[in-house]
This record gives sequence, C-alpha cells and structure tokens, in this order.
Amino acid sequence: GEDVEQSLFLSVREGDSSVINCTYTDSSSTYLYWYKQEPGAGLQLLTYIFSNMDMKQDQRLTVLLNKKDKHLSLRIADTQTGDSAIYFCAGSSGGSYIPTFGRGTSLIVHP
Amino acid sequence: SAVISQKPSRDICQRGTSLTIQCQVDSQVTMMFWYRQQPGQSLTLIATANQGSEATYESGFVIDKFPISRPNLTFSTLTVSNMSPEDSSIYLCSVEETISGANVLTFGAGSRLTVL
Repeated sequence: GEDVEQSLFLSVREGDSSVINCTYTDSSSTYLYWYKQEPGAGLQLLTYIFSNMDMKQDQRLTVLLNKKDKHLSLRIADTQTGDSAIYFCAGSSGGSYIPTFGRGTSLIVHP
Repeated sequence: SAVISQKPSRDICQRGTSLTIQCQVDSQVTMMFWYRQQPGQSLTLIATANQGSEATYESGFVIDKFPISRPNLTFSTLTVSNMSPEDSSIYLCSVEETISGANVLTFGAGSRLTVL
C-alpha cells in the first residue's frame, strides 16, 4: 500500500513563502491531496492534483508534483498567521479512492 | 460539499466505559468512513460503514472494540468500547464526494476523547 512521509514542523515569518514537502511510495497514485487542520477542527481539503499534472495553482497555493521522484510540495505565498495549522499530504493508490495520509506538517507563522 | 456534524465534539471518559459518537450528513451518501487520529500521528482508517451491511474493518480494528451502526444514508455511529487511556484520540467521520471530477474525502470536525 501507499506510504506517505512529510516533515513534522515548519516555521516561517509572516509574509514569506512556505513550502511543505511530501514523498510517497506508490507510483500508481491517481490523486494527491493537501488537507489543512486548524486547532480543534477536522480536516479541510485545500487542493488536489491529478497524477497526470505537474503543477496546479490556486490563488496563494501552488502544488508541484514530481512523479519521477514521487515528491509533492505545497507552496503558500505571502504566508499569514491564519495559515498556521497542520497540513496533511495524502495519496490514493491503485483502484482505491481511500487516501493514505502522512503524519502532517505543523506550520507555525510568526510575526 | 457535504456538511458533516459530529457529536460529541469532545468528552472525558473513565477507563472501562464505552462512548458512542454520532455522525450526521446533510445529504445521502453511500459510504461513510471512520478515522482515528492519535496525538501527533496521522489519520488511520478504522472502518468503512455501508448502509444495509456490516461495516468493513481495517487491519488492527475489530467490531467488538469499535461497533458501528449505519441505519440510513445520512447517519452513522461509532462506539469505542471498554475504553483505556490508549483510546484517547480524535475520531473523525468522513464521506467521499466527487468534486470537479476528483474523488475527495470531506471530514467532520472530529470528536476528541480523553480517557482517564
């Protein structure tokens, strides 16, 4: 099955860009996702990318997918304090639409 | 996207007791999923709840410990039985949706259980 790894912590200054990285193991992953979890809340889908795409941009968010290296990244431009949260990378492999989640990267934005 | 309500949002429970978590969706869905999020850990799928049939449990999870009901297409419950401190977690209900052609999971806010 799919295995998803991501670094646990990232600290950035307000206004800088944040880049959260993720690696996955299953080359047949169809969809790759980024979810955001704010304190005391459930997971909110931020964005997703199909495996046949290299990049997807949505306002301040840019997702880059390197299929050769099985590497996914999420870039948040002009990071704000409201972006402080845990960001989960997830991938669905083979014929299953049930994604496997990474452990989450805790993003801390300081003034 | 679907709106999912979970109750309770949090609870403190005594060892040996059981607690039932409710999940209500504002639309009819075929499959509902129950996840566990232990402190500092990723989400782990407990089981898939299908209406009209027994839930399908993932490896490491059994029906006696986590009985699930799915009486209709908008509602499910998860019971955490005979709780121990190791069961302290956030339990999340989710449903699968198709958004812009992609299959995605939508989550409830979660139920944070602390077992003393």
